[in-house]
Formats: sequence, C-alpha cells, structure tokens
Amino acid sequence: GNSVTQMEGPVTLSEEAFLTINCTYTATGYPSLFWYVQYPGEGLQLLLKATKADDKGSNKGFEATYRKETTSFHLEKGSVQVSDSAVYFCAFPLGGATNKLIFGTGTLLAVQP
Amino acid sequence: NAGVTQTPKFQVLKTGQSMTLQCAQDMNHNSMYWYRQDPGMGLRLIYYSASEGTTDKGEVPNGYNVSRLNKREFSLRLESAAPSQTSVYFCASSEGGAVEETQYFGPGTRLLVL
Repeated sequence: GNSVTQMEGPVTLSEEAFLTINCTYTATGYPSLFWYVQYPGEGLQLLLKATKADDKGSNKGFEATYRKETTSFHLEKGSVQVSDSAVYFCAFPLGGATNKLIFGTGTLLAVQP
Repeated sequence: NAGVTQTPKFQVLKTGQSMTLQCAQDMNHNSMYWYRQDPGMGLRLIYYSASEGTTDKGEVPNGYNVSRLNKREFSLRLESAAPSQTSVYFCASSEGGAVEETQYFGPGTRLLVL
C-alpha cells in the first residue's frame, strides 16, 4: 500500500552543519511530494514541494529532489541554524477525488548553538 | 489574515464525556480535514470534507463524527471520549481540486482523556 518512510530522529546537529533527512515512499504512479515543517507549539506548514520526477523543491535554504528511480525525496540544507529546530514531515497525496495526505512519522531536528 | 483557527487549544476530559473541537478557515477553501498526531505515528486523517455539504471517512474515523457547518467551519465531535483518543488534533484546509496543492494547518488542540 501507499506509505512514507522517514529516517528516525532525533537528529542533533551543531549550527552550520550539513543536514540530510531521508524520505522514501511507496505509491502508485508518481505523486507530488511534500516536506512539511512543524515548529514548536505550532501547526504544520509547507516547506517545499516537487510535482514531478527530477523536480527540485527549495525554500529557506532547504532543498529536496524528486528521485523516481529510488522513490526518494531527501531533504537537505547546507548550513543549519538554531531556528531550523523543528519536526519535519515527508508527505504525498493519495490523489483521486480529494487531496488526502499520507505522512511520514516525522523527524525531530535539534540544532545546537 | 487568521488562516485556520482551532478551539480550544487544550482540553482535559474524563472517559465517557463528549466534546466538540471547532475549526474555521477564512481563505475561502473548499476542502477541510481533521488529523490526529500521535508520537511515532505522524499524522493520520480522521475525516475530511471535499466541499461544503460533503464529508467522508479517513484512516481512523472510529469514535468521531464531523459536521461541515458551512464553507468556513468544520467541527469534530467525540461522543464518548476514551483514553485512546488522547492526542493532538489538527484541522487543515486546502483550495480543493489539485493533487499538488498546499494544505494549511491550524495550531492544534491538545486533548487529554483520563
């Protein structure tokens, strides 16, 4: 069935370190792919997305490339900041008549000064 | 622009009590959703409403009911709360119609059932 697998956290990094959070998916066809971010005490918000294979989504220094061959959408950032501390969710829509989203379990990122 | 608002922010219930979680959006979106967030399980869809006047079950609907009161409001009701319903509940909305569109989330309601 449809599913998303994310690397388990927490991920603890020092400021300015390189970040990778792995995400792989199992789906029928080639769905749009999303990364959502949840800052402490807040709801989720869209970080970036890619709508087709080989697309690269980017926002706030984060990037993710839609890799059809490996069914992956790994999130990367070259230099993290303390303000990036949050929970990151990979997701894709089931499609059909509505945009029901399938979420990964989330990866907690803690950035230390 | 308030976006998606939810009330209450926090609630404690005893087993068997009932309550309604309220959600409203001011973005003129057609679609609305209720999710629950549990540790280690990500977000799971409870119910959704593709448009005003329609509702449908998601992944974990048992023990819940919903009402799409109008285009702006989508409420979630627990008729007889159980400890297994202790969770954080998020409401979301989207324009409706395109698989690549963004969902906008409210700040969440933390529910503790004793």
